[in-house]
Amino acid sequence: GENVEQHPSTLSVQEGDSAVIKCTYSDSASNYFPWYKQELGKGPQLIIDIRSNVGEKKDQRIAVTLNKTAKHFSLHITETQPEDSAVYFCAASPSYSSASKIIFGSGTRLSIRP
Amino acid sequence: EAQVTQNPRYLITVTGKKLTVTCSQNMNHEYMSWYRQDPGLGLRQIYYSMNVEVTDKGDVPEGYKVSRKEKRNFPLILESPSPNQTSLYFCASSFSRGEEETQYFGPGTRLLVL
Repeated sequence: GENVEQHPSTLSVQEGDSAVIKCTYSDSASNYFPWYKQELGKGPQLIIDIRSNVGEKKDQRIAVTLNKTAKHFSLHITETQPEDSAVYFCAASPSYSSASKIIFGSGTRLSIRP
Repeated sequence: EAQVTQNPRYLITVTGKKLTVTCSQNMNHEYMSWYRQDPGLGLRQIYYSMNVEVTDKGDVPEGYKVSRKEKRNFPLILESPSPNQTSLYFCASSFSRGEEETQYFGPGTRLLVL
């Protein structure tokens, strides 16, 4: 079955700097790769996703890249702000949406230093 | 306001006493799913449903049942809870059309099985 590995487990960056979180997956049949942000005491929130027919997607300060050959995808946050502090999860699914079996990475705790 | 509600939010029970955690969404979403979150293990999918009367197993379905008799509700049933089912549970609903993906998570249900 699918296995998703996420690195690093913790990340601390200076406010205004960039943060990068990386994930690798094992099942080449995976097509949908969402990223979630979870703030303390809240449920996860879908922040961006990418499908296998696209190599890169950007939404304001957040971007995601996908390398299907190497089976890895990354989340890039530029110009980090204090409100970016949270736990981030990557995930992979064989379908083209969240409406299917989905496997998550173990999470990255991102801290933004003022 | 678009929302996913879960009840109860907190529950302490004893081994073997059947319980149901309810999940309801007001967005007419076709897709719903259940997850559990444990320290060090991240998020794991329990069951998902693609529509009324259509459910399928996620990554960790053992010990759980679900039903989808109506579009808005997706209850999680623990027929005979055990201590290893102590966890934080999240329900989610989602909508997908082409490249557009919308997903909402509930606030979570914290379950302690003694």
